[in-house]
Amino acid sequence: GAGVSQSPRYKVAKRGQDVALRCDPISGHVSLFWYQQALGQGPEFLTYFQNEAQLDKSGLPSDRFFAERPEGSVSTLKIQRTQQEDSAVYLCASSFTGGRTETQYFGPGTRLLVL
Amino acid sequence: QKEVEQNSGPLSVPEGAIASLNCTYSDRGSQSFFWYRQYSGKSPELIMSIYSNGDKEDGRFTAQLNKASQYVSLLIRDSQPSDSATYLCAVNSGSSNTGKLIFGQGTTLQVKP
Repeated sequence: GAGVSQSPRYKVAKRGQDVALRCDPISGHVSLFWYQQALGQGPEFLTYFQNEAQLDKSGLPSDRFFAERPEGSVSTLKIQRTQQEDSAVYLCASSFTGGRTETQYFGPGTRLLVL
Repeated sequence: QKEVEQNSGPLSVPEGAIASLNCTYSDRGSQSFFWYRQYSGKSPELIMSIYSNGDKEDGRFTAQLNKASQYVSLLIRDSQPSDSATYLCAVNSGSSNTGKLIFGQGTTLQVKP
């Protein structure tokens, strides 16, 4: 009965380093969302998967950000050549089918600090 | 203009009082509205969802939606210190055919004993 899990919980990276953030959605949930939450702000949408298909990546801030979900379950958000402005909490959420009225269940987030 | 706007607060109310949290949105085609609670350092947790005009009550919480005014609110009755958190208003944009949410910046609520 586990919820959404994310790892690592905390990541400190040097500017220019690549990082990979992992999300394990709730078992059976077809839809998976990534959000970025800066300090004192609400989450901002990054990208959306339905099974293994990335249907919306309109929120990815630059081509340094890349997400995948190759088998329709676990997802990885990769940030290449990290910059200080990438420092934020990265939240993953999943829902059963991704419909407009469905509850999204959030993971604990990965707190990324780029020095 | 931000798509979803909230007063960042903090909103301070005494224990037992009614807390009123407000949110406006810009997309008239929006169809689904959610209130999430987020404790400091934790992830957002769904409190209420509302889809049609009017009031929806769940325990001490009441969500109110007025699509004509593009306004959604959350009332918390008999506020408790444990209600102290940031409350995020989220809207499912009418232009999206997925569950993609647009969040406000959140309102910090402080309930004082």
